[in-house]
Amino acid sequence: DAGVIQSPRHEVTEMGQEVTLRCKPISGHDYLFWYRQTMMRGLELLIYFNNNVPIDDSGMPEDRFSAKMPNASFSTLKIQPSEPRDSAVYFCASSRLRGGGYTFGSGTRLTVV
Amino acid sequence: EDQVTQSPEALRLQEGESSSLNCSYTVSGLRGLFWYRQDPGKGPEFLFTLYSAGEEKEKERLKATLTKKESFLHITAPKPEDSATYLCAVEPNTGNQFYFGTGTSLTVIP
Repeated sequence: DAGVIQSPRHEVTEMGQEVTLRCKPISGHDYLFWYRQTMMRGLELLIYFNNNVPIDDSGMPEDRFSAKMPNASFSTLKIQPSEPRDSAVYFCASSRLRGGGYTFGSGTRLTVV
Repeated sequence: EDQVTQSPEALRLQEGESSSLNCSYTVSGLRGLFWYRQDPGKGPEFLFTLYSAGEEKEKERLKATLTKKESFLHITAPKPEDSATYLCAVEPNTGNQFYFGTGTSLTVIP
């Protein structure tokens, strides 16, 4: 298995631009999670899906953030418009169960200038 | 308020020098406590799940233990390849949240 695949690995964009991060979970994993990691705040859960349905989006910081999971093999996290404070590493993770033995992707390092 | 605190923030060990990392937590009820390892530029890698006080899990040079208020990750005779950031996370038994600590950065010197 190729694991959780995220793209792009790095993204540099200008403030105000739209950013789309992509994730392909492990086949057969019913849960998909989006996390953000910064030095100041560590890992923060943004949103998670179960069987393609968003279950908890209370961690999404603002309406500028949105996430979709149109099918079991693909999810996107969109930021529109982007701001410098959105700069972070964004991780996607998937698992068979709700409890924390997640498989993380390698992350997307986002820099908003 | 649910909270996870890891200590120390950073730890430098000589190869072969055993030590322990601490994860203390305050949650209304614990569904599970999880340890991850994170290498630079990579996502966290799952190590262990602990569910109840007194439980222990082992993997190679690592052993995780759990009490009602904290967990320890014991590293026995570490090697340079054990250098990484070790993250602890807890899942309360109510709600949908999952809280990560800020990690302990471990450096093992040859």
